[in-house]
Amino acid sequence: QKEVEQNSGPLSVPEGAIASLNCTYSDRGSQSFFWYRQYSGKSPELIMFIYSNGDKEDGRFTAQLNKASQYVSLLIRDSQPSDSATYLCAVAPLAYSGAGSYQLTFGKGTKLSVIP
Amino acid sequence: EPEVTQTPSHQVTQMGQEVILRCVPISNHLYFYWYRQILGQKVEFLVSFYNNEISEKSEIFDDQFSVERPDGSNFTLKIRSTKLEDSAMYFCASSEGDNSPLHFGNGTRLTVT
Repeated sequence: QKEVEQNSGPLSVPEGAIASLNCTYSDRGSQSFFWYRQYSGKSPELIMFIYSNGDKEDGRFTAQLNKASQYVSLLIRDSQPSDSATYLCAVAPLAYSGAGSYQLTFGKGTKLSVIP
Repeated sequence: EPEVTQTPSHQVTQMGQEVILRCVPISNHLYFYWYRQILGQKVEFLVSFYNNEISEKSEIFDDQFSVERPDGSNFTLKIRSTKLEDSAMYFCASSEGDNSPLHFGNGTRLTVT
């Protein structure tokens, strides 16, 4: 059974602070890792993806991957009230650059609240 | 920006009835998916579709479910005889293929009474 675990939160941070979201996964065959943002009642929106160990930065967002520890995280710098949402971690068995279909396994999500 | 569109946004049906959820994927995308999310639960994979056939399906996707691409633009999910536990938000997604992310539609909220 492939599992993706996240702390459900809520995680509360003040505006301008760094929010740190964590995720662990059970399937060592996982190759690609995604962070989605989901506002209440809305669809998941892709924030970042990563498939190599280390850090990947995109604007205020940094994804970090450690395959040996089966751990992936998302840092949000200069958090804004508009960042308040549930953040979903998702993993997939295929390398992102590989062909084929795409069965994502999602975590339950961490609810982030950015306090003005 | 191109987007995945789903209709209807909300569908209410009685237990045992058939429902068809409709999706128009992004036009140049080649892979199509259905996911669902029961209220308060995880987003769960149902099925993926490529080259006019199912490429992967989960345990949830039993004989009551089917998918179809009836023409060059639509992608549908049919539930033949709905059960109360089918109540969920159903998300369609599509991807271009290699090196491209899944784009999700806004979802159809299915309520089975």
